[in-house]
Amino acid sequence: DADVTQTPRNRITKTGKRIMLECSQTKGHDRMYWYRQDPGLGLRLIYYSFDVKDINKGEISDGYSVSRQAQAKFSLSLESAIPNQTALYFCATSDSGGPYQPQHFGDGTRLSIL
Amino acid sequence: DQQVKQNSPSLSVQEGRISILNCDYTNSMFDYFLWYKKYPAEGPTFLISISSIKDKNEDGRFTVFLNKSAKHLSLHIVPSQPGDSAVYFCAASALSGAGSYQLTFGKGTKLSVIP
Repeated sequence: DADVTQTPRNRITKTGKRIMLECSQTKGHDRMYWYRQDPGLGLRLIYYSFDVKDINKGEISDGYSVSRQAQAKFSLSLESAIPNQTALYFCATSDSGGPYQPQHFGDGTRLSIL
Repeated sequence: DQQVKQNSPSLSVQEGRISILNCDYTNSMFDYFLWYKKYPAEGPTFLISISSIKDKNEDGRFTVFLNKSAKHLSLHIVPSQPGDSAVYFCAASALSGAGSYQLTFGKGTKLSVIP
C-alpha cells in the first residue's frame, strides 16, 4: 500500500462546484503539504501544515482552503471551482526535526474543471 | 520571477553514457538543494540532496554538484539506464518569512535514455 494516498485520482467537474481532494498518510509524519503542477510550471505550494493545529498559506492559496482532520489526514477544498484550477494536485509529507527532511509525495489527483 | 530554473525542458542520452541535468537559482538564501524524479502517473520521488556547505554529494550512480558562487547545481547520472527516463525536478529550500522551510521547484527536465 502507498504511504501517501490521494483520492480521487481523477476528477472532472463543472465550474462553480465545490470539490474536496483528500490525502492520507501512513508514514507518521507531522508535516503535510498540498501542491499543484501545471504544464511547464513545476510544482507550486498551496498550503502546508506542520501539525493538526497549524495551517499555513503557501505561494498560491487564493481560491483554496484546507483542513487537517488528524495527523494522518489533510484535505484540500475548492469552494467554487474555476477552469484555471485545472491542474495536477499533489499531497506530500515530511518528518519534522529540521529543514532538510525530504518530502514524500502521493501519486496525484488530476482535476479538470469544465 | 523564477527562483529555480531548469533551462533544458528535455534531454536525450544514450544508454551507458553520462546524463547531466542542470539547475540555476537566484535566491542566495537557499541553503539546501534536492533532486526529485517523476515517472508518468506517479508522484515525485526524492533522489538526492546537498547542503550548501558542501560542493558534492554522491549516491551510487547519482552525483550532485553545487557551485555556490555561480548559483548552479547539476545532477550527474553515470551510467545512464533506460529506467532513468523520467522528469527530474530541482528544488531548493529556504527559511520563509513565516519561520518555516519551504521548497521551491524548477519546471523540470524530461530525460530520455535511449537503449
